[in-house]
Amino acid sequence: GESVGLHLPTLSVQEGDNSIINCAYSNSASDYFIWYKQESGKGPQFIIDIRSNMDKRQGQRVTVLLNKTVKHLSLQIAATQPGDSAVYFCAENDRVMDSSYKLIFGSGTRLLVRP
Amino acid sequence: GAVVSQHPSRVICKSGTSVKIECRSLDFQATTMFWYRQFPKKSLMLMATSNEGSKATYEQGVEKDKFLINHASLTLSTLTVTSAHPEDSSFYICSARPTGGPWQYFGPGTRLTVL
Repeated sequence: GESVGLHLPTLSVQEGDNSIINCAYSNSASDYFIWYKQESGKGPQFIIDIRSNMDKRQGQRVTVLLNKTVKHLSLQIAATQPGDSAVYFCAENDRVMDSSYKLIFGSGTRLLVRP
Repeated sequence: GAVVSQHPSRVICKSGTSVKIECRSLDFQATTMFWYRQFPKKSLMLMATSNEGSKATYEQGVEKDKFLINHASLTLSTLTVTSAHPEDSSFYICSARPTGGPWQYFGPGTRLTVL
C-alpha cells in the first residue's frame, strides 16, 4: 500500500549545525510533497513544498531535495536554532479516484537542538 | 492570511456523551476540509474529507456514525464525536484547503479527553 516513512525517529544536533531530516515515499505517482513542523500541542505548520517536476527548492534557511529515482525526500535546515526543536513530518499529496487530493503523512522525526 | 481556527482547544467529557469540534477558515473559503486524529508521539491519520454541501468521505476503518461531519458553509466544518469513550481520547486536527489550491492549512488542534 501507499506509505511515507522516515529513516530516523529522533535527531539531535548542536545549535548552529545543519540538520538533515530524511523521508522515503512509495507512491511514485505523487506529484507534490510538503514538509511540516509540529510543536508540542499545536497543529502542523507549513515549512516548504516541492512539486515532482523539481529536484530542489530553497526557502529561508531550509532546503528540500527530491530524488524521484529512489523516492526519497529530505529537509535541510541551515544553522539550526533552539526554536527549530519540534517534530517534522513529510507528507505526499495523493490523488484519489474522484480527482480530489489527500495528504499522507510520514511517521515524523523529532529534532532536538542542543545549546 | 490563511488562518484556520478550532474550537474548543481542549475538552474533557464523561464517557457516553457527545462532543462537537468546530473548524473555521478565517480569511479564505475552503471547499474542502479535512479531519485528522493524532495519538501521542504518532503521526497524523486522516479520518475523513469534508466537502461543502455534500457528504463526507471517510477513510477505511473510521466509523461514520460515530464521527459525524458537517460542512455547512465554505468556512465551517464540524466534527461530532458521538457516545465518546476513553479510547476516543486523542488530539483532533482539522485542515482547510483554499478553493483551487493543493495545499492545506492546519488548525491548532483540539485535545479531547474522555473520562
